[in-house]
Amino acid sequence: EAAVTQSPRNKVTVTGGNVTLSCRQTNSHNYMYWYRQDTGHGLRLIHYSYGAGNLQIGDVPDGYKATRTTQEDFFLLLELASPSQTSLYFCASSRLGGFYAEQFFGPGTRLTVL
Amino acid sequence: SQWGEENLQALSIQEGEDVTMNCSYKTYTTVVHWYRQDSGRGPALIILIRSNEREKRSGRLRATLDTSSQSSSLSITAAQCEDTAVYFCATEGSGGSNYKLTFGKGTLLTVTP
Repeated sequence: EAAVTQSPRNKVTVTGGNVTLSCRQTNSHNYMYWYRQDTGHGLRLIHYSYGAGNLQIGDVPDGYKATRTTQEDFFLLLELASPSQTSLYFCASSRLGGFYAEQFFGPGTRLTVL
Repeated sequence: SQWGEENLQALSIQEGEDVTMNCSYKTYTTVVHWYRQDSGRGPALIILIRSNEREKRSGRLRATLDTSSQSSSLSITAAQCEDTAVYFCATEGSGGSNYKLTFGKGTLLTVTP
């Protein structure tokens, strides 16, 4: 079964702080995604990548950077965290982009910005 | 329905009842994914229906898709307590954005004994 792991699972930082969220998938999937989930908003796509060194902008990219260092690892960076970025963050991977491909999600990282 | 500007929908039923959740989407798609999210976990795909499949079944789940009205539904027959979860529909983009899933806001289903 597809495996996506995220770390840390919980993170508290202060306004202006620097945060890195990590995601690793061991499925040899090409596509990886970062979403945020807020109450009543479903999941919103922040950034995605279709391979090492590639980065594509999602629907809510402001205030976020991302980097895909290997096929397995995808990082989300908040360089000047703000309270509006308090959220539950999910990483996902899929073999294909679209084409009916299932996305496999990690367990999530809860980020609190004070 | 869980699309547009609606807030998270909530449904509460008793064990053994049937339930239907609706999803209306705004842009053209050839497929609707339905994901389930249990408390404290990431979403997981439970059923996927393509535009050439007006109906799809998987166990107690039944999904429908009407591309003319841009709507989909997910039905659960004889719901059980373990069906309690948030259910999301998601559509794939087309053309250059076919990589992307756009999620609805979700329906919180609570099944009580």
